[in-house]
Amino acid sequence: KAGVTQTPRYLIKTRGQQVTLSCSPISGHRSVSWYQQTPGQGLQFLFEYFSETQRNKGNFPGRFSGRQFSNSRSEMNVSTLELGDSALYLCASSPSLRGQGVFNYGYTFGSGTRLTVV
Amino acid sequence: GQNIDQPTEMTATEGAIVQINCTYQTSGFNGLFWYQQHAGEAPTFLSYNVLDGLEEKGRFSSFLSRSKGYSYLLLKELQMKDSASYLCAVMDSNYQLIWGAGTKLIIKP
Repeated sequence: KAGVTQTPRYLIKTRGQQVTLSCSPISGHRSVSWYQQTPGQGLQFLFEYFSETQRNKGNFPGRFSGRQFSNSRSEMNVSTLELGDSALYLCASSPSLRGQGVFNYGYTFGSGTRLTVV
Repeated sequence: GQNIDQPTEMTATEGAIVQINCTYQTSGFNGLFWYQQHAGEAPTFLSYNVLDGLEEKGRFSSFLSRSKGYSYLLLKELQMKDSASYLCAVMDSNYQLIWGAGTKLIIKP
């Protein structure tokens, strides 16, 4: 079955602009999480959506927002981009929020969107 | 604060065994995950531990001691394709995953 699809793969934006990233989870997966990955810092949790509702939120400023649609696809938006927002943005899907689906198989990650802010 | 510590980089020889350690201090504990990430690729799930002890999956094993806030990933019969970063993540009391910075494993022939 198809994996987690993130688009676009690469993006270059100018400081002050806004950007929207897209994530299509594995068919049947209802939970989507977003992470920011930077060298030396590891993955930082942004937010998690399940059934179109934000269930969990990390410690990022309000410039970072997201949503989930009825087909479980999710988008992440970053407004007023800063140079420090340059990173790899990963999304991950799972069948449910918790439970054996997560604990036995983990979260499945997409290949990410590499955002460069200049 | 919450903290996950892993060595930044390790080097091992093809065919050998390597142990990658992870220590954590988090607000609550709902399990610990290990992921493998090859350069430029998505992280892939290796293991999940929530109870103390050793879980074995083929060449890879993962150990957890909740009282010590400690886990390790053991890789046996190392192959060149095992060259990757290994990420440790703890699910805290809010069911958020807290990630270590990752350990880059270099395999030499």
